[in-house]
Formats: sequence, C-alpha cells, structure tokens
Amino acid sequence: AQSVAQPEDQVNVAEGNPLTVKCTYSVSGNPYLFWYVQYPNRGLQFLLKYITGDNLVKGSYGFEAEFNKSQTSFHLKKPSALVSDSALYFCAVRSGDSGYALNFGKGTSLLVTP
Amino acid sequence: DAGVIQSPRHEVTEMGQEVTLRCKPISGHDYLFWYRQTMMRGLELLIYFNNNVPIDDSGMPEDRFSAKMPNASFSTLKIQPSEPRDSAVYFCASSLRGKLVGNTIYFGEGSWLTVV
Repeated sequence: AQSVAQPEDQVNVAEGNPLTVKCTYSVSGNPYLFWYVQYPNRGLQFLLKYITGDNLVKGSYGFEAEFNKSQTSFHLKKPSALVSDSALYFCAVRSGDSGYALNFGKGTSLLVTP
Repeated sequence: DAGVIQSPRHEVTEMGQEVTLRCKPISGHDYLFWYRQTMMRGLELLIYFNNNVPIDDSGMPEDRFSAKMPNASFSTLKIQPSEPRDSAVYFCASSLRGKLVGNTIYFGEGSWLTVV
C-alpha cells in the first residue's frame, strides 16, 4: 500500500518570505514522488518530481523539494513567495512495486499575502 | 503540443440522466487515468488503462460508472443514472511510461459535473 499525508490544510505566508508545504509518504518499495499545483477552476499542473539521485529537486516557477528518506518526507519549498503562488498544492507518490497510478494527498492551500 | 483534452468542461444535468465525459490523451501516451475530485474526498483514482486495456478499476464507485477506451486517442467515462452525489470534477490524465516508471502524468482541465 502507498499513501501520502499533507498535514496542513492551509499555509499562510507573506510575499517575499520563504514557504514550505509539507508532505510525508508511505510506500512498500522505492518511492517516486511528485508535486502538482492547481489554480482555481483549472487542472493539475506538474511542478517537480523525485525519481532517484540528488535529494534536492528543482522544478517550475522557482519551486524545489527535498527528498528525505529517513524521515519519509518530500517537502516543497520556495525561497521567496509570490502572491501568484497562491493555489492548491498536491503531493503524490507512486511505488515501483504497486501499479502505475499516482496516489495523491488531500492537498494544501497556500495563501501568499501582499 | 496539445495537452490532455476533456469535454465537456462544464455539465449540469438532472438526477437520473446519463452523463458521458470524454477524453483525448496526449498523442503517443500509453497510460490513461480517470480521477475524481471532491471537497470531501480529495482526488480519487477511478480507473486507469494501459494500451487501451483497463488495469485497475477498483476505484470505480459502483455499477453506475463505466469507462471505455476504444482506441489510443479516446476514452469515455459514463455515469448512468447520475445522482447528486456524483457532482464533482472529473479529471482525465495521461502518461508515457515506456521503460521509465518515473514518467510524469499530465492532467486535463477537468469536467465540472453538477447533478441536480
């Protein structure tokens, strides 16, 4: 079985400040981890993924995420938040041992205030 | 390149009516997924196909839901009869796996269904 937990329903941050959106996972094999963003009334857009290799992954729009195997975490980060980053963020996991579909977290709403 | 194309984007229908949602995956992709998004349950995988063959339909809620993929370029998700609790956003997504398990899944813009 595989699952993802996003412990925060909402994250609030002031523009210009660093942001972190948390994600922890549980899989039976090697994890393949993804972050997606959803703007209002839109589909999910791919941000970045961890497959193997360097634990720090860089993605679109200045976002990055750090894979931590010992803590089973894959937190999304950005050094300086923009108001336009306000959206719903989803962490997702796929295990090499169990099928090919992604299992998504509940999502975290990010609000960046001016 | 064109992304995943879904239609209709919005549908309002009466309870008991048949609803058909359509999806055109990205050309060349060999996996197709149907997800449903609601406030209460988040994103749920309904079914997915590989090379037009259903692989896992364990997420399909009940017999009122059916999905087909007659060819590599087209899939449908049908609800018959529809009920108010089916109101949700239905996303189609596709991916090219090839030999790489880590390939990205790309989503369409969704079909926003309201059953009254």
